[in-house]
Amino acid sequence: DTAVSQTPKYLVTQMGNDKSIKCEQNLGHDTMYWYKQDSKKFLKIMFSYNNKELIINETVPNRFSPKSPDKAHLNLHINSLELGDSAVYFCASSAKSPGSSGNTIYFGEGSWLTVV
Amino acid sequence: AQSVTQPDIHITVSEGASLELRCNYSYGATPYLFWYVQSPGQGLQLLLKYFSGDTLVQGIKGFEAEFKRSQSSFNLRKPSVHWSDAAEYFCAVPYQKVTFGTGTKLQVIP
Repeated sequence: DTAVSQTPKYLVTQMGNDKSIKCEQNLGHDTMYWYKQDSKKFLKIMFSYNNKELIINETVPNRFSPKSPDKAHLNLHINSLELGDSAVYFCASSAKSPGSSGNTIYFGEGSWLTVV
Repeated sequence: AQSVTQPDIHITVSEGASLELRCNYSYGATPYLFWYVQSPGQGLQLLLKYFSGDTLVQGIKGFEAEFKRSQSSFNLRKPSVHWSDAAEYFCAVPYQKVTFGTGTKLQVIP
């Protein structure tokens, strides 16, 4: 069983469209994350939720909206997609809150978003 | 603020040769440190982690890393590289926002 799974893995869409990426973890973790990896492979956190509560909200355009219906799911919705949104988006989870001692973060396989 | 630096953007080694990937950290106290690997078109897989205790950490796929406080380093090593090790390797400090290094791309030649 995949621990952190995200769908779709590949997504090609036109500028201006709205799209969502879904993420689910079956590890029983309390914290989930979204990361963005740009074309230079640089990884940067976007959001983090702990028990459905938003705890990290980096400076990202408000076109990006995370939603956590329960602590096992964290979806990412993107409105009015732009060319610069093309990237790989990684979902991740951890048992503890960010910064906690011994907190290990597990990543999903990534979602490759291409905006044309 | 804590940070990690991976000085080598790209490293090429011959199959069967030894490997060392460098990671330097900046943190006031004893850090927790991770190494992740990302194969082409794949997600991030945790190779190993250091929290405390023994400074030599064993990971998966035959990798190990040594924490050296005096050098502020946590270098990743493997005694004999296989072609399947070709990937991008990331060092990370798992605090708050989990700061990642910029990655080192490993190329393995026959």
